[in-house]
Amino acid sequence: QSVLTQPPSVSGAPGQRVTISCTGSSSNIGAGYDVHWYQQLPGTAPKLLIYGNSNRPSGVPDRFSGSKSGTSASLAITGLQAEDEADYYCQSYDSSLSGPDVFGTGTKVTVL
Amino acid sequence: QITLKESGPTLVKPTQTLTLTCTFSGFSLSTSGVGVGWIRQPPGKALEWLALIYWNDDKRYSPSLKSRLTITKDTSKNQVVLTMTNMDPVDTATYYCAHRGYSGYVGYWGQGTLVTVSS
Repeated sequence: QSVLTQPPSVSGAPGQRVTISCTGSSSNIGAGYDVHWYQQLPGTAPKLLIYGNSNRPSGVPDRFSGSKSGTSASLAITGLQAEDEADYYCQSYDSSLSGPDVFGTGTKVTVL
Repeated sequence: QITLKESGPTLVKPTQTLTLTCTFSGFSLSTSGVGVGWIRQPPGKALEWLALIYWNDDKRYSPSLKSRLTITKDTSKNQVVLTMTNMDPVDTATYYCAHRGYSGYVGYWGQGTLVTVSS
């Protein structure tokens, strides 16, 4: 099981705002390591959505925003659209594991 | 532009060794800060980092799989190879090759290759 915990699912109606949490600890997010977010549409490879806690790559709509505080991070989607229905993963580094980075447990976003 | 592509068997038998090759273009694995890694995703499950190799040959392995994994690079061929020993049906997954930049995020992914472990 991952050291980064996300809610299994969140849902919202079109136009609404939803948030996804990514809860870590003092050896990863709380230690100051950056959090990155990915969107994975069904049957496709993940796509970078947010990097460095709150930065959007070129081409990512400004409906997506990221933040970080303490040992947690959040991804917010405002003005939810049907095409936002996907799985979302956070990623960070954990200094206690001596491995590569770690992903969160993943969250399925459903547009009602 | 940066591209990565995985290649290897789609079916392996239990106890066999899996060898996957990532062939990439658009960047050099001798550039400071760059890493290429392997990430897998069992059907319907979450992403899992397996291994990562940096430009300076520093290697990082998932602690839970470290004893079974080996990652190597051939900078002249623009390839990274992952071997995983003693394959089990629970290792059935889509295996992705990924470009990890200096800032730690994966900006580029391969298309993924589904590996099934079955007798």
